[in-house]
Amino acid sequence: NAGVTQTPKFQVLKTGQSMTLQCAQDMNHEYMSWYRQDPGMGLRLIHYSVGAGITDQGEVPNGYNVSRSTTEDFPLRLLSAAPSQTSVYFCASIWSRGAVTEAFFGQGTRLTVV
Amino acid sequence: AQSVTQPDIHITVSEGASLELRCNYSYGATPYLFWYVQSPGQGLQLLLKYFSGDTLVQGIKGFEAEFKRSQSSFNLRKPSVHWSDAAEYFCASNRDDKIIFGKGTRLHILP
Repeated sequence: NAGVTQTPKFQVLKTGQSMTLQCAQDMNHEYMSWYRQDPGMGLRLIHYSVGAGITDQGEVPNGYNVSRSTTEDFPLRLLSAAPSQTSVYFCASIWSRGAVTEAFFGQGTRLTVV
Repeated sequence: AQSVTQPDIHITVSEGASLELRCNYSYGATPYLFWYVQSPGQGLQLLLKYFSGDTLVQGIKGFEAEFKRSQSSFNLRKPSVHWSDAAEYFCASNRDDKIIFGKGTRLHILP
């Protein structure tokens, strides 16, 4: 199994451009999340999904959109990139049974907005 | 709101010395707690997790962690560190099917 696959691994955008970060999982997990990682800030939750067709905002949702049309895919869209969105982005697929959860992470996407 | 606190931003230890990384949580009920490690330029790898039962949890790479409810802590330990342990370590807790992270502790190893 591939687990969680994120593409691309690296991306440079100009301010105002849009793009989509892709995330796919093959573990049939219902729950998926997007995080951004910035120095000294740890990982902060952007958006999450508890199943196909259901998404919700995390701690830092502004400037990002998500959708979940299938269980496997959870793309993150930047509508108009800003330098403040320069970061490393991680997608997680989350196994859950009752209150017990465990996250499986992709390898990350390093995004630079100039 | 539930939070996870890692009081130490940086920790430096000599190779072969023992290690303890601190983690405190704030949550009313029994939390589910994790430690992840991130090597430079890499993704996150799960070291260990605590859900219930024995409060001393063994993980990979010789790490262990102890859950102490009275201190709201879940500190990570290793008896003897290796140069390859230099990395950033994250404590995390689940909340409503979301994983919430501390800000991380960067571990430096002196030869």
